[in-house]
Amino acid sequence: DAKTTQPNSMESNEEEPVHLPCNHSTISGTDYIHWYRQLPSQGPEYVIHGLTSNVNNRMASLAIAEDRKSSTLILHRATLRDAAVYYCILSPLIGNKLVFGAGTILRVKS
Amino acid sequence: GAGVSQSPRYKVAKRGQDVALRCDPISGHVSLFWYQQALGQGPEFLTYFQNEAQLDKSGLPSDRFFAERPEGSVSTLKIQRTQQEDSAVYLCASSPWGGGYTFGSGTRLTVV
Repeated sequence: DAKTTQPNSMESNEEEPVHLPCNHSTISGTDYIHWYRQLPSQGPEYVIHGLTSNVNNRMASLAIAEDRKSSTLILHRATLRDAAVYYCILSPLIGNKLVFGAGTILRVKS
Repeated sequence: GAGVSQSPRYKVAKRGQDVALRCDPISGHVSLFWYQQALGQGPEFLTYFQNEAQLDKSGLPSDRFFAERPEGSVSTLKIQRTQQEDSAVYLCASSPWGGGYTFGSGTRLTVV
């Protein structure tokens, strides 16, 4: 399974944008980039996924580098409820297990 | 319900006891996964079902761990002769064919 590298932790102020980076230099052509987050005492929650083009949904945006060796999850206006561990995962889209790393702990200050 | 339901939410077992953890996936979801999450770590894959077929059990840590999904819906993860190192949160996730994964809130197992 291709490996991802994320910072251990990041801090943000409430109502400001947050850019969470992920490096995946060994990504293969069939790997999608998935982002999940895990709030305290809950299971991981799907955030967004993409292959090559940038993606937007109601929760976040995903910016993918042209060479696909890195990506950035963008939360446009962080709230206290966005404080969680964010995981960047590579996986083919269909039916494959997700291999989680340690993720990035995001702290949001009011 | 609309989500993945796991029970019990918390389980305390004496060392050596057998435990059974239940997962009710979202209705119609073909794929079902079990993960183990130790404190402060990311979830680790245990096993995967497609309908009733267990297609991957490479993550099960020992032969004390056993999972089943006999009718392709509800799944049970059984741990025999529990040890202290089995203490963790056990997460279940389900997905439709080609779709994203929905996780349950997990069962926190404490072996004393």
